[in-house]
Amino acid sequence: AQSVTQLGSHVSVSEGALVLLRCNYSSSVPPYLFWYVQYPNQGLQLLLKYTSAATLVKGINGFEAEFKKSETSFHLTKPSAHMSDAAEYFCAVSPPGNTGKLIFGQGTTLQVKP
Amino acid sequence: ETGVTQSPTHLIKTRGQQVTLRCSSQSGHNTVSWYQQALGQGPQFIFQYYREEENGRGNFPPRFSGLQFPNYSSELNVNALELDDSALYLCASSSGTVRNTGELFFGEGSRLTVL
Repeated sequence: AQSVTQLGSHVSVSEGALVLLRCNYSSSVPPYLFWYVQYPNQGLQLLLKYTSAATLVKGINGFEAEFKKSETSFHLTKPSAHMSDAAEYFCAVSPPGNTGKLIFGQGTTLQVKP
Repeated sequence: ETGVTQSPTHLIKTRGQQVTLRCSSQSGHNTVSWYQQALGQGPQFIFQYYREEENGRGNFPPRFSGLQFPNYSSELNVNALELDDSALYLCASSSGTVRNTGELFFGEGSRLTVL
C-alpha cells in the first residue's frame, strides 16, 4: 500500500527566507509524486509533479522538488519566500498507470512573516 | 478552456438527509474523481468515473454513490447524512492521458455542513 507523510503540520518562515516542506512516501512500485497548493476557500492547484523523468523537478511560482529514492523523499523547496506563498501544501502519491487515485498527505500550512 | 466547476459552493443539511453535488469537468476530460477533505486533513479519494462507469472506489460506504453523464459531468450523492460527512467535497477531472502523468485538475469544491 502507498502512503505519504508530511513532516510538520505548520511551517513558519520570514519573507525572503528558504522554504522547505518535507514529504516522505511509501510505495512498493515506482511512484508518481505531486505537490499541490491550496489557498483559503479554493480547490487544489498543481505545483509540480515527478513522473520518473528528471529527479529534480521545477514547478510554478519558483518551487522545485527533488525525488530521492534512497531516502523515499520528495521535499519541496523555494529559495526565497514571498507573502503570497502562504497557503496549505499537500504532497500526494500515485502508482504509475493509476488514473487520478491520489493518496494525499495531511498537509503543511506555510506561514510567511513580513 | 473552461476549468472544473462545482455546485453548490456551500450547503447545509441535517442528519439523515440526502445531498447531491455536481461537477462539470474540464473541456476534453473524460475522467472525474471525487475527494472528501475534512477540516484540517488532506483529501481522501472517494471514487472515480471513466466514460460513465465507476473506475475504482476508496474506503467509503455504499451511501456514497455517483454518476457520470455522456458529457462527462458528474454527480456525487450521499444518503443518510451523518455529522462526520461535513467536509469540502472536491471534484477533479483528467484525460485518458493521465494514465501517463496522473495529473488532476480540481474544482473549488462544495462545502457541506451537516447539523
